[in-house]
This record gives sequence, structure tokens and C-alpha cells, in this order.
Amino acid sequence: GAGVSQTPSNKVTEKGKYVELRCDPISGHTALYWYRQSLGQGPEFLIYFQGTGAADDSGLPNDRFFAVRPEGSVSTLKIQRTERGDSAVYLCASSLLGGATGELFFGEGSRLTVL
Amino acid sequence: DQQVKQNSPSLSVQEGRISILNCDYTNSMFDYFLWYKKYPAEGPTFLISISSIKDKNEDGRFTVFLNKSAKHLSLHIVPSQPGDSAVYFCAASAGAGGTSYGKLTFGQGTILTVHP
Repeated sequence: GAGVSQTPSNKVTEKGKYVELRCDPISGHTALYWYRQSLGQGPEFLIYFQGTGAADDSGLPNDRFFAVRPEGSVSTLKIQRTERGDSAVYLCASSLLGGATGELFFGEGSRLTVL
Repeated sequence: DQQVKQNSPSLSVQEGRISILNCDYTNSMFDYFLWYKKYPAEGPTFLISISSIKDKNEDGRFTVFLNKSAKHLSLHIVPSQPGDSAVYFCAASAGAGGTSYGKLTFGQGTILTVHP
């Protein structure tokens, strides 16, 4: 497809487990972002990649969260020792840097539920 | 510390009338503002944006107004259509022109319902 693809769309796990969420951005988009949206809130910035490197990871809540983008395309958000408070929709977005509007193209999100 | 606030959780409007969605911000470093629309089970989609050097930007039925002195922006939809029913998020960024473009601070969202 032409849009941002995220898998899985839904993930239910138990407290303490490890989770990986995958994002496949729009082809040619060099910038990739992860956001987290909790119930009743707007998306909250987690991390930004320019190419393969994390240019800004200031939004990651703690060291249980980690993200990679080894080849500058697909990205994986990794959450260790999950907690119930990690339950949220994790949104991935991509963009062309230098675009006039700076608009982000979001995927449909991965809904994570930690029991 | 909510730097971008949408104080109205919901808004109900009759088809054909104007919808006005409001947004306030506190961070003076914000210089670029965007509105996103979100349907259930979909990701947010970009709607319209405005730079801090302007006070108005129009795109078809959608107009965004920016009042920098009041740190307030609004989105006007005229005429409203039932297909406009969605959650609308206001977002802001600092450092327009650089990588900060993608580092957006979002409001909590306003649920717009347009009745036929």
C-alpha cells in the first residue's frame, strides 16, 4: 500500500512481557516518528528518526522503551517489562523533510493492552 | 503541563452551519500550528496548517485563524457536512523549517458531530 503500515493492529500481553511494534513508512520518507495516544488524550511524541539514527528520543518515558530503524526504512518500537500504564495506541508517522507544510502521515496505530 | 489545550471535548452542529473549534497554547516558542482530523480506527490525517507569520489560512471549507497575542487559534468549517464528524486535534511545533516540524505537541482533541 501507499500509506504508513503498522503491525500488529492489536496486541494483548501480560504485565512484565516484552513487546515489539513494527512500522513500515511511506516509501521515500526519510523522517519517521513514534507517538503514543492514551485514552482521551492527543498523541504524545516519543521519538524521531532521520534516516537510521534517532535524532530526538526525548519523548521516550523511560529506559524500558527503545526503538530502532537499522536500514532507514522499517522501524521497530520495543517495550521491555511491560506495565499496565503502557496500554495505549502507538502511532507511527513519516514525512518528507523539507516539505512545505511539515505534515506527518500517520498509520492506523497499534493498540497495546497490558493485562 | 498541557502546552496545547482544547477546552471543548465535544461540539454538535447542524449540517450547513459553521463549526468553530478552538485551541489555546502556552509555549511562546511554538511557531507552526496544524489541525488533524481523526476517524475511529484510523490514524490522524493532516487537515490544514498555519505559520506564525500569518493570521489566517484558508483551504476550501476550512479556515484556520491565529491570534498570537492571545495564544489562540481556531478552525472554522463552513458549511459543515456530516462527513466532517470526527475528532479534531490541534497541534503545534517550534523551530519551523528544521527537524522540529515533526515533533508536534497535540491538544486533547474535540469530537465534532455534524447532524443532517
